[in-house]
Amino acid sequence: GQSLEQPSEVTAVEGAIVQINCTYQTSGFYGLSWYQQHDGGAPTFLSYNALDGLEETGRFSSFLSRSDSYGYLLLQELQMKDSASYFCAARYSSASKIIFGSGTRLSIRP
Amino acid sequence: DVKVTQSSRYLVKRTGEKVFLECVQDMDHENMFWYRQDPGLGLRLIYFSYDVKMKEKGDIPEGYSVSREKKERFSLILESASTNQTSMYLCASIGGSNTEAFFGQGTRLTVV
Repeated sequence: GQSLEQPSEVTAVEGAIVQINCTYQTSGFYGLSWYQQHDGGAPTFLSYNALDGLEETGRFSSFLSRSDSYGYLLLQELQMKDSASYFCAARYSSASKIIFGSGTRLSIRP
Repeated sequence: DVKVTQSSRYLVKRTGEKVFLECVQDMDHENMFWYRQDPGLGLRLIYFSYDVKMKEKGDIPEGYSVSREKKERFSLILESASTNQTSMYLCASIGGSNTEAFFGQGTRLTVV
């Protein structure tokens, strides 16, 4: 089947940089997305990579390497409000199917 | 504002009941999804649909069925609810060429 692996928890300090990695299975792979979810809320879209390389959106960047079946989300200048769960999600089968990883809970210390 | 609306925020049902969870989107999206979210397991795909009357099984379809009679509405059906189906259920939609999926606020279902 298609599954994604990401770390379950990451802790970082306010103002620092953190990277959340994600590996995925390649069969039928179309592109990789990242979503943020605060406790009690719905997931919200952060970024999408279909091609290799880095996509930058403000303090958040996302990277994809199709040859390594690997991507990451980079969060810079961490703020307390960035404490949340982050999910990578892969699109498969001509983009109709979206599979999520199990999520990484990011905790930020002052 | 784009919107995905789930019919109930909280639901309590008895074991063996037939349960309907409704999801409506107003973005004319082709693709709609049902996920369940449990602690430590992330979002697991139950079913998805890429067009009216079309459906595909996700990773955990057992015990569930779906219906998509109109483009904007995607229903999840628990034929005979069981306690292990107690969970948060999330509906999402995405356009065919779009990259961003939009989620409803979720339905927290408790089966007693």
